[in-house]
Amino acid sequence: DIQMTQSPSSLSASVGDRVTITCRASQSITTYVSWYHQKPGKAPKPLIYHASSLQDGVPSRFGGSGSGTDFTLTISSLQPEDFATYYCQQSYSTPYTFGQGTKLEIK
Amino acid sequence: QVQLQESGPGLVKPSETLSLTCTVSGGSINNYYWSWVRQPPGKGLEYIGYIYHSGATNYNPSLKTRVTISLDTSKKQFSLNLNSVTAADTAVYYCARGEASSWPLYFDYWGQGILVTVSS
Repeated sequence: DIQMTQSPSSLSASVGDRVTITCRASQSITTYVSWYHQKPGKAPKPLIYHASSLQDGVPSRFGGSGSGTDFTLTISSLQPEDFATYYCQQSYSTPYTFGQGTKLEIK
Repeated sequence: QVQLQESGPGLVKPSETLSLTCTVSGGSINNYYWSWVRQPPGKGLEYIGYIYHSGATNYNPSLKTRVTISLDTSKKQFSLNLNSVTAADTAVYYCARGEASSWPLYFDYWGQGILVTVSS
């Protein structure tokens, strides 16, 4: 199985901050990564697919980049509704696997 | 608007079979990968498997001997059966739509999730 390792596991930030979350794959997955965020008690929601494509309806402050083994999710200016847990996921090969999550909290 | 809704028992006894159904509304069954993902309380996400509209399936090897996913296109429903459950199978189970029209696949719509507890 391809292992996805996110860093940091948790992060405190303030409204308006620029935030970057990193995801590293245990082998090259080209650009086959997507990003989701999840609020407590809710289902995950897609943000980014194919490493850098923005899901319909997702604000442009979210951006994704990377290829091979290293990927980043950037939020350019944090809004109150962005405090959540973020997951990366690879779809290069089955079983599809997720990172362990990054919990983004209000400072 | 596409919507997915899980249904099934919230409590299953150890060694029995967990059975869930996901009903799809607002969209086509065709050309998507109908998937199950679970999340143990306080933990991360685990891919269980998918069924394509053609009937082709893919299962996580960690669960492969115990899991079956089936599809009823006429009812726009797909189902998960997980047998011989233990407490380790306690989780919120999500159904999700796998979108792959421009590969790679990602999960673009999710159900709200259903908590299934394995306990006697």
